[in-house]
Amino acid sequence: DQQVKQNSPSLSVQEGRISILNCDYTNSMFDYFLWYKKYPAEGPTFLISISSIKDKNEDGRFTVFLNKSAKHLSLHIVPSQPGDSAVYFCAASARSGGGADGLTFGKGTHLIIQP
Amino acid sequence: NAGVTQTPKFQVLKTGQSMTLQCAQDMNHNSMYWYRQDPGMGLRLIYYSASEGTTDKGEVPNGYNVSRLNKREFSLRLESAAPSQTSVYFCASRDLTSGNQPQHFGDGTRLSIL
Repeated sequence: DQQVKQNSPSLSVQEGRISILNCDYTNSMFDYFLWYKKYPAEGPTFLISISSIKDKNEDGRFTVFLNKSAKHLSLHIVPSQPGDSAVYFCAASARSGGGADGLTFGKGTHLIIQP
Repeated sequence: NAGVTQTPKFQVLKTGQSMTLQCAQDMNHNSMYWYRQDPGMGLRLIYYSASEGTTDKGEVPNGYNVSRLNKREFSLRLESAAPSQTSVYFCASRDLTSGNQPQHFGDGTRLSIL
């Protein structure tokens, strides 16, 4: 039973346009959400996160939106650049702050930025 | 900055052999984690250690053991390797002392069991 779902295995976007990656979750106990970027033969690299008390978090070209009622979050990348081509993982944690539990990951979305 | 270091980077084993994957972090983090990633899948948690001296099972612990050797090091052991354990293994660490913080990952160990 997948608790974090990324329904698009791949996404192709033109350079300079907006990339929107989506993620749905089923566990209402999740309260901290993260996006990781992964290049081949490397470990996941943290990109941006959001706590369940917020509905938006922005960091440069990256913005994450959280819709708790829909159990949905999205990552917006504006403008998209060739170096953004990678696999993006959505992840969630059930206990924030003092919790040490691991993350639950989606299967990832392969973003391809076309020139 | 080294961050999280995993050794070895690659390994091929025969079924039934044993092996220990090493992980060390230099960020003074309390918590450490082991994940595996299979083709077309997200990362799945094997074991974690909230602090030195404690370990807990994750989603897929069967066939593995762990040791939190000290605050820096967290090892993963396969006692009798099976082909189903062919995977990429990632170690991560996290700082628990200052609210919500992300996990930081090593570059992985690619393990093939023949």
